[in-house]
Amino acid sequence: QLQLQESGPGLAKPSETLSLTCTVSGDSISTSYSYLGWIRQPPGKGLEWVGFIYYSGGTYYNPSLKSRVTISVDTSKNQFSLNLSSMTAADTGVYYCSRMVTGNNWFDPWGQGILVTVSS
Amino acid sequence: QSALTQPRSVSGSPGQSVTISCTGTSSDVGGYNYVSWYQQYPGKVPKVMIYDVSKRPSGVPDRFSGSKSGNTASLTISGLQAEDEADYYCNSYAGNYVWVFGGGTKLTVL
Repeated sequence: QLQLQESGPGLAKPSETLSLTCTVSGDSISTSYSYLGWIRQPPGKGLEWVGFIYYSGGTYYNPSLKSRVTISVDTSKNQFSLNLSSMTAADTGVYYCSRMVTGNNWFDPWGQGILVTVSS
Repeated sequence: QSALTQPRSVSGSPGQSVTISCTGTSSDVGGYNYVSWYQQYPGKVPKVMIYDVSKRPSGVPDRFSGSKSGNTASLTISGLQAEDEADYYCNSYAGNYVWVFGGGTKLTVL
């Protein structure tokens, strides 16, 4: 069964770049035929789709974040990563990694989430 | 891309039915049959309850059903149970490989 686990710093300073990694177990990214991506949730607020990377490399981002987001994949480590630049307090929240299998139109599974706080 | 519009809260008594709406535009909800619904308990990971407007993943009780009319999708929970009290989010494909969530609805079981 596919499992996802986020890792990275829980604290970032304003204007810095956040780097998070999602480690995939139970399946190989390189043969998954999946979109691998990130969804975030500010404290007490709703979910926001951040973006995807297709297992073979194509990237797709939320238009409102596109200028600051980069998602990449490392098939040798079975991981994918999120970089979010120019962080502000508005970027504080829980960041989830998730998967969408090609041809399916829902997000599953989800990682447990990692809380990122942006503060000086 | 604007978030889909959901009521902030709904409530119902055990055994009753409740419906949560999710309103978008012809560019997202109205344009594709790719609406899904997620249940999230406080501090927990979201779980898919409905996909492709009205399909249920295995293991989801048939008390949960989905539908769509025009630019509005709906999640109906019948035979409400205490364990259904949670936050519910809709999600829709919006074209050009973009996905959009609703703002979320808090369901209270009275």
